[in-house]
Amino acid sequence: LAKTTQPISMDSYEGQEVNITCSHNNIATNDYITWYQQFPSQGPRFIIQGYKTKVTNEVASLFIPADRKSSTLSLPRVSLSDTAVYYCLTSTGGATNKLIFGTGTLLAVQP
Amino acid sequence: GAVVSQHPSRVICKSGTSVKIECRSLDFQATTMFWYRQFPKKSLMLMATSNEGSKATYEQGVEKDKFLINHASLTLSTLTVTSAHPEDSSFYICSARDRTTEAFFGQGTRLTVV
Repeated sequence: LAKTTQPISMDSYEGQEVNITCSHNNIATNDYITWYQQFPSQGPRFIIQGYKTKVTNEVASLFIPADRKSSTLSLPRVSLSDTAVYYCLTSTGGATNKLIFGTGTLLAVQP
Repeated sequence: GAVVSQHPSRVICKSGTSVKIECRSLDFQATTMFWYRQFPKKSLMLMATSNEGSKATYEQGVEKDKFLINHASLTLSTLTVTSAHPEDSSFYICSARDRTTEAFFGQGTRLTVV
């Protein structure tokens, strides 16, 4: 059973900042929060991962409040090529820990 | 980052035949690999966990005699769809984790059974 809840879909326009929020009320103490991006007919691609507070890389930022029961993926200035499904997952580290996917959020970027 | 390669990217087979899909970790050793199936407009569904040198662990509802998994080495896992039928047509994706917290996914295999 998926441990996360996200909006099914979101719409945006090119150049806007997009924030996708994920709920993970039962996150375990050792769990990390990871976001993946998936284009049609491709495997998911890692975007960003965090444990608490804020993480930023060259493509996105991840905001995690102190209680860690939710997280927000922020995509600055989206373009048409950012149209994809975005998945939020929680998992402990380690090679044997499996990842269970929720429904994901379909982000549609309009021109 | 680490790379997971999956082959073939797409395959069409006749009903009743078997199809083998390979998943390789190219620059790290993966003691565990994961196999997912994804139907159109749906999320990834975990099918099984593939352990090197031992039997795979299947998720509830996945037929182990239908979906044969072999993890013969630390860099190769295979999924064989036996006696394929049109309802087995789907997108199959493998995944592996190295010693970090990040998982890496293959490109996926589009299976069409006619």
